[in-house]
Amino acid sequence: DAMVIQNPRYQVTQFGKPVTLSCSQTLNHNVMYWYQQKSSQAPKLLFHYYDKDFNNEADTPDNFQSRRPNTSFCFLDIRSPGLGDAAMYLCATSRDRQETQYFGPGTRLLVL
Amino acid sequence: RKEVEQDPGPFNVPEGATVAFNCTYSNSASQSFFWYRQDCRKEPKLLMSVYSSGNEDGRFTAQLNRASQYISLLIRDSKLSDSATYLCVVTHTGNQFYFGTGTSLTVIP
Repeated sequence: DAMVIQNPRYQVTQFGKPVTLSCSQTLNHNVMYWYQQKSSQAPKLLFHYYDKDFNNEADTPDNFQSRRPNTSFCFLDIRSPGLGDAAMYLCATSRDRQETQYFGPGTRLLVL
Repeated sequence: RKEVEQDPGPFNVPEGATVAFNCTYSNSASQSFFWYRQDCRKEPKLLMSVYSSGNEDGRFTAQLNRASQYISLLIRDSKLSDSATYLCVVTHTGNQFYFGTGTSLTVIP
């Protein structure tokens, strides 16, 4: 059974049109993460939630926002997608900090 | 200097071969170490954690050398299904996982 679920798996949006990606987990983990991964690059952490505590990486553009309404769900909002935001967006969870992270299947975003 | 560095490869090896990857990390206070496997266009999946004493899981052996600040992954008797990108991951104080850029392995029939 899937433990970290991401929807949609593929998202096509237009330049500048807001888009929301969703992640849900059945593991009851405290920590949820959003990563951006471009081709042949390492996943890049955008931000994470430790419970309700939001932690933004210093170099994450303001264009990216996140919400975690409850333990199970976390959303990534891209307010005005640019061509450079086309990438795979990975959600991950861990029981606690520095523990193993479990990844969802990712959402591949295409910006036209 | 990057937090984690890996040789990107590609490593092309015949079936049955033994192959080893190394990964170096820059922060001596690093606390947790992992190897993840990522197939093309898929998410990273945990292959194994790396413990100070070294650990083995079937054909896979991981080792940690704190003095030299590197971790290694050894794959014995390579299978076609081992073809993937292997990501080295390191954590230290705070919460961030530091990923290497990955080492690409192709096992050839």
